[in-house]
Amino acid sequence: AQSVTQPDIHITVSEGASLELRCNYSYGATPYLFWYVQSPGQGLQLLLKYFSGDTLVQGIKGFEAEFKRSQSSFNLRKPSVHWSDAAEYFCAVGPPTNDYKLSFGAGTTVTVRA
Amino acid sequence: DTAVSQTPKYLVTQMGNDKSIKCEQNLGHDTMYWYKQDSKKFLKIMFSYNNKELIINETVPNRFSPKSPDKAHLNLHINSLELGDSAVYFCASSRGTGMNTEAFFGQGTRLTVV
Repeated sequence: AQSVTQPDIHITVSEGASLELRCNYSYGATPYLFWYVQSPGQGLQLLLKYFSGDTLVQGIKGFEAEFKRSQSSFNLRKPSVHWSDAAEYFCAVGPPTNDYKLSFGAGTTVTVRA
Repeated sequence: DTAVSQTPKYLVTQMGNDKSIKCEQNLGHDTMYWYKQDSKKFLKIMFSYNNKELIINETVPNRFSPKSPDKAHLNLHINSLELGDSAVYFCASSRGTGMNTEAFFGQGTRLTVV
């Protein structure tokens, strides 16, 4: 069974500082990998996704993520955080088949201080 | 225009009642989903419909019955509500069922059973 672990429940970062959110997965093969963001009172928005190819993936809002097969990780990064980045971030994995069944991590809450 | 809209946004009801949550998407997608986010923020897929046909049913109790009158709508009806049904329910849609597609999520419906 596939599983997703986000080790950090809550991260506080200063505006302008860099941000890294960790995601580890457990799966028999290389799954498809996603990062979603949930702003307060909003639905989930896809930040970026990895299927194959270049292991460094660029997303929206200045985010990027790096897939490391040896570590079964897909960490999300942003060089300089803005106050509007305060939100809940979810890592998700899905099987590389025609079966859209995402498994989500528990999420990481990001607080941005001025 | 909201891409995936759910109503109501908040729902408070008593145990034993029957309630419905409606979902509509105006993206022209042919696949729709219901996800449940529990109190620990875990998101888990419940159902998936493709062209009005059920393709994923993740061992959800029979009290939950999705209904898809057309490709743009996927409603969730819940009978005999229980305290454990309290959660945030997210509707989503995508084009096709393959993993190399993006799911668009609604804002969620926070269901509280008292």
